[in-house]
Parts: sequence; structure tokens; C-alpha cells
Amino acid sequence: DTGVSQNPRHKITKRGQNVTFRCDPISEHNRLYWYRQTLGQGPEFLTYFQNEAQLEKSRLLSDRFSAERPKGSFSTLEIQRTEQGDSAMYLCASSSRIDPPEEGYTFGSGTRLTVV
Amino acid sequence: KQEVTQIPAALSVPEGENLVLNCSFTDSAIYNLQWFRQDPGKGLTSLLLIQSSQREQTSGRLNASLDKSSGRSTLYIAASQPGDSATYLCASQGNDYKLSFGAGTTVTVRA
Repeated sequence: DTGVSQNPRHKITKRGQNVTFRCDPISEHNRLYWYRQTLGQGPEFLTYFQNEAQLEKSRLLSDRFSAERPKGSFSTLEIQRTEQGDSAMYLCASSSRIDPPEEGYTFGSGTRLTVV
Repeated sequence: KQEVTQIPAALSVPEGENLVLNCSFTDSAIYNLQWFRQDPGKGLTSLLLIQSSQREQTSGRLNASLDKSSGRSTLYIAASQPGDSATYLCASQGNDYKLSFGAGTTVTVRA
């Protein structure tokens, strides 16, 4: 296992199109998180899964956003009817079940979305 | 709501100088504090994690301290190198498992 994997690395889409990103966490981690980062800012929390259950969604996540984690393994983040304001880096992270996680969060390389 | 602030926003030093990066947070009820490095257009690489019961952590040329009572953490990088040029982010984890990030300090080490 080589860490958290995100695909695609880059996505350019036209306004109004739908996009889907994928995250594969570290296999033994049961918690998975999505964050969004805009230029010059720190990442902001979007949503969090424990196994397959989505436990929390940020108010940043409008109804155009949906995230799933079927079977508690990989996760997908879909954005419908994209807007230029959705352009950002979307980061996925995972952590272990230990409270608090002794190794902290492990982040993926991110998916950079550009909406034109 | 946790507020995390990093000062300075940017820092430029000659090679060999020691770096001091500051992070402050408003809510001292944290589980841990984690420092990350981010290269331009890339994801986050974890550098150091300090549990709430710890005062500091060290890894090679990096040392991070934590003072929960004053809501501060400091990252020290000894004998800086051009390869240390990056943005450094600190993040606190609360009992809701979420990370609250600062906006980062962008470091340039001049050869």
C-alpha cells in the first residue's frame, strides 16, 4: 500500500458539466475525509466517512455535491452542474480508527479542478 | 469554531539560516497538531504530529513544539536548504476528528 491515491490529478471542464473524482485511502484506515483548497488558503473540510457511513457534511457542500464510500473502501466526490467557483484543489485524506489517530492524517496528491 | 493563524505569510532566507514558523489557535481543546509541507500544485506531506499530551516532536532537522495553554505551535527548521522551499501548513485536530488549517507560510530559501 503506497498511501492515499487520487484520480484524476487534473480535470478541466466546461461550466455546467458534471465531474467525479475518486479517492483510494490507505487500506487499513477506516476514516476518509474530503477537503477543498483554493489558492493561497488552507484546506477546508467538506465531508467525512467512517467506514461506509457519511457522518458529517460541511455547509460548504451545496446540494450539487455528493460523496459516497460504498463498502467502506474507495470514495467518490461528484459535482453536478459545475460553476467557476468550484475551481479548486480537492484533497482526500484518511486516518486510522485509533482515537486520536497516532499517525494523524495522510493526504493524497489531490485533484485540481478548473471550470472554464 | 477553531481559528488557526500562521505568521508570517511568507518568508525568504539565505541558505543555512534557521527557520522559525509560527502557528496559533484559538481553542486549546485539541487532540493533536500536525505540520504539513505542500509543494506548488501538489498535495500535503505530513512532517510532524504532536499529540496534545506532548510538548515537542523532532525529525531530522525539524522540531515542532506545542504549548496548548497559550494556543501556539512553532516549527523550527535547522540549517535551511533550497529544497526546503515550500508552503508549510499547520492544522489542529479537535474531538470532532476534523482538521482546522492555517493559510500557511510560504518559505523561499535562497542559494
